[in-house]
Amino acid sequence: EVQLVESGGGLVQPGGSLRLSCAASGFTFSSYAMSWVRQAPGKGLEWVSTISDSGGSTYYADSVKGRFTISRDNSKNTLYLQMNSLRAEDTAVYYCAKSGGGTYISDYWGQGTLVTVSS
Amino acid sequence: QSVLTQPPSASGTPGQRVTISCSGSSSNIGRNYVYWYQQLPGTAPKLLIYRNSQRPSGVPDRFSGSKSGTSASLAISGLRSEDEADYYCAAWDDSLSGVAFGGGSKLTVL
Repeated sequence: EVQLVESGGGLVQPGGSLRLSCAASGFTFSSYAMSWVRQAPGKGLEWVSTISDSGGSTYYADSVKGRFTISRDNSKNTLYLQMNSLRAEDTAVYYCAKSGGGTYISDYWGQGTLVTVSS
Repeated sequence: QSVLTQPPSASGTPGQRVTISCSGSSSNIGRNYVYWYQQLPGTAPKLLIYRNSQRPSGVPDRFSGSKSGTSASLAISGLRSEDEADYYCAAWDDSLSGVAFGGGSKLTVL
């Protein structure tokens, strides 16, 4: 059974940093691209970033480019999202998601971790 | 403003058939597969349809997807109260080099 467990969310001041982690199990982690998708309170889904299975390719939404960095450790089956220069508009539930085979679109999602940016 | 356009709401009575549309462009739906997700209140999204019309195991055949040109649609037949949820379409966008989501459609079962 695919399991994705996010951690690292919390309250941070504007301009601050936070690192999210996602522990994966139940599938061969190194064979699939992974993504972060966020959902602001009461709003829709917003794609944040995707990383290829090897980590050699990364993609970012314009809204986070230059501030967020996606990475992965295939030896630890863990996905990361380093978030710097956080803004109030980054407040959201952040979901870790596994991509389906041969695509960057997600087929399994974690339960999410809440990031609140506020002074 | 979402890259893919969905109606904000849809509704139907139990047993009825409802459809939700998703409109895009040549850089996303026009050349890539469409995916649909169901998000029940307070939960993570769940994959409902992949590659335009395929259902993951466990998804009832009441749910079906189709695509034509730069538009796609999700159909739900035999509507049930437990289908009340938010529904999102998604596709890879070659111009953005990223995933495009629709704004979501809230389905109400009357």
